[in-house]
Amino acid sequence: DAGVTQSPTHLIKTRGQQVTLRCSPKSGHDTVSWYQQALGQGPQFIFQYYEEEERQRGNFPDRFSGHQFPNYSSELNVNALLLGDSALYLCASSLGTETSYEQYFGPGTRLTVT
Amino acid sequence: AQSVTQLDSQVPVFEEAPVELRCNYSSSVSVYLFWYVQYPNQGLQLLLKYLSGSTLVKGINGFEAEFNKSQTSFHLRKPSVHISDTAEYFCAVTPLFGGGGADGLTFGKGTHLIIQP
Repeated sequence: DAGVTQSPTHLIKTRGQQVTLRCSPKSGHDTVSWYQQALGQGPQFIFQYYEEEERQRGNFPDRFSGHQFPNYSSELNVNALLLGDSALYLCASSLGTETSYEQYFGPGTRLTVT
Repeated sequence: AQSVTQLDSQVPVFEEAPVELRCNYSSSVSVYLFWYVQYPNQGLQLLLKYLSGSTLVKGINGFEAEFNKSQTSFHLRKPSVHISDTAEYFCAVTPLFGGGGADGLTFGKGTHLIIQP
């Protein structure tokens, strides 16, 4: 049973560039949530995708956008990168609406902005 | 909105000793509560969750937690720790309404559990 996978593992970008991170949910899951974890902090909710639509969004600017594909995989896009965007980006998958609280996390993508 | 406070950023404990990691939350609505563990360079793994019913919940790896609604707390305990328990532990909540989870999980800042031989 494949768990949540994310790619790439690590990424280094320059200020002002754009980045795309990818996530494949756990087998059987249809909902994907994205979180940002800065060094020494807890994860912060960015947004959640269900049925290819953004269902809920945390307190993040519009530079952060996403997409969900028909196979439930998802992408997180960040434009105009800032140094403060350096963090571990975690993807979590869950099932449906009534149990979307039970989230399974991937290993994350470590983004460094220089 | 919800908030989670983990009262200790770091907890050193000797091997085979008991440990308690403290978590308090604030919310104007009822919430589900969770504890996650994060080993170095890895994602988060669910230790246990409280949804309803008995306030004492048991999780994986010998951990348990007790939900106290009046004190808005959800402290994590283990009677005897091992070196392998060294990790970062996160308490999290999400509101019950809206199908639960749609608002995402709100995490505390984490507690680093350090097991000393």
